[in-house]
Amino acid sequence: NAGVTQTPKFQVLKTGQSMTLQCAQDMNHNSMYWYRQDPGMGLRLIYYSASEGTTDKGEVPNGYNVSRLNKREFSLRLESAAPSQTSVYFCASSVGPRNQPQHFGDGTRLSIL
Amino acid sequence: ILNVEQSPQSLHVQEGDSTNFTCSFPSSNFYALHWYRWETAKSPEALFVMTLNGDEKKKGRISATLNTKEGYSYLYIKGSQPEDSATYLCAFYNAGNMLTFGGGTRLMVKP
Repeated sequence: NAGVTQTPKFQVLKTGQSMTLQCAQDMNHNSMYWYRQDPGMGLRLIYYSASEGTTDKGEVPNGYNVSRLNKREFSLRLESAAPSQTSVYFCASSVGPRNQPQHFGDGTRLSIL
Repeated sequence: ILNVEQSPQSLHVQEGDSTNFTCSFPSSNFYALHWYRWETAKSPEALFVMTLNGDEKKKGRISATLNTKEGYSYLYIKGSQPEDSATYLCAFYNAGNMLTFGGGTRLMVKP
């Protein structure tokens, strides 16, 4: 059982390049999330999708877009990467209600030069 | 932006010691409090989700309590082992749909 799968695991970009981080879950969860983790900052929510067909901004959405492609997949796009977006990105999913735990992927380490 | 504070930021204990740490969160519009365990080079794993004032949850040697009226939760580890070394995160849900994380408590257990 794979759980939450993120690709790629590592990526180096140049400033101004674009890329899409992929996330897929096989647990039939309704809700999916994208977080970034920076030293001393903890996990901060970028965007979330409470259910298939909906997306909402989190705490730090600027510079990102998301697509909930279907129930399984939730992608995060950087249209024009900036050095401030160097971070470790985590995707997570949950059954849906706020009293259910979130299940995390292994993370994508992204460096922008 | 909701403020979730965890203390201490880091903690060194000897194997066999019992320890505890604190998560503070806004007491208004409380919905749920989550605890996660995050080992180095892995992803966070859920320990507990608590929703009711006075909740106590236990998993092996780890337990947690919740006080929603005063806005705090304690995580306890009894008889710490080296494999308990990790960062422990708490996260707070209010009436919105966003889980807000604290900065974590990094626990290091020396053999």
